Amino acid sequence: ETGVTQSPTHLIKTRGQQVTLRCSSQSGHNTVSWYQQALGQGPQFIFQYYREEENGRGNFPPRFSGLQFPNYSSELNVNALELDDSALYLCASTLPFSQEQFFGPGTRLTVL
Amino acid sequence: QKEVEQNSGPLSVPEGAIASLNCTYSDRGSQSFFWYRQYSGKSPELIMFIYSNGDKEDGRFTAQLNKASQYVSLLIRDSQPSDSATYLCAVNGNFNKFYFGSGTKLNVKP
Repeated sequence: ETGVTQSPTHLIKTRGQQVTLRCSSQSGHNTVSWYQQALGQGPQFIFQYYREEENGRGNFPPRFSGLQFPNYSSELNVNALELDDSALYLCASTLPFSQEQFFGPGTRLTVL
Repeated sequence: QKEVEQNSGPLSVPEGAIASLNCTYSDRGSQSFFWYRQYSGKSPELIMFIYSNGDKEDGRFTAQLNKASQYVSLLIRDSQPSDSATYLCAVNGNFNKFYFGSGTKLNVKP
């Protein structure tokens, strides 16, 4: 089991609302990545943060935004929720000078 | 074309057999390749990674990389029922983007 934690575990929102998901990285890990995993699919890369700056972004619209804090914890914010945003949201943290990602348990978001 | 392609399976093998999982990728500039295992309802866990052409062994697992063919594989020797899971291939592409395949479901029958 990794030291990456995520909150909340489950969340139900309605279309049009906004949501904030949180991730606490494993100690010493200064890079965090966020993924969306729909049922039966592989994780889709949303973005990566390194030293509080966005360091790479996948094909997600601007209503998906993030933050990384000095203690390397992170947030994923999604505005104007759509039904298709229903998925498992995973964060993964990485040690400096490494590409090995360690995933948290995920947050299951349901949009009604 | 997807960045990473995997056969969705399911791949069924008897206990003790070798399971062979395959993955192709589209970005020739990719440098790093990863295999993750994901049990139902759980998050992915890293099995191993490979950066150079050839084979890399770790216990019962062997990763194989052929950059010319843009092909990565994972062999699992002496497969156990506990190996039954979805195996995800991941590639680190340009601009710090990670691409995952959709995964191959492996069933190891006792």
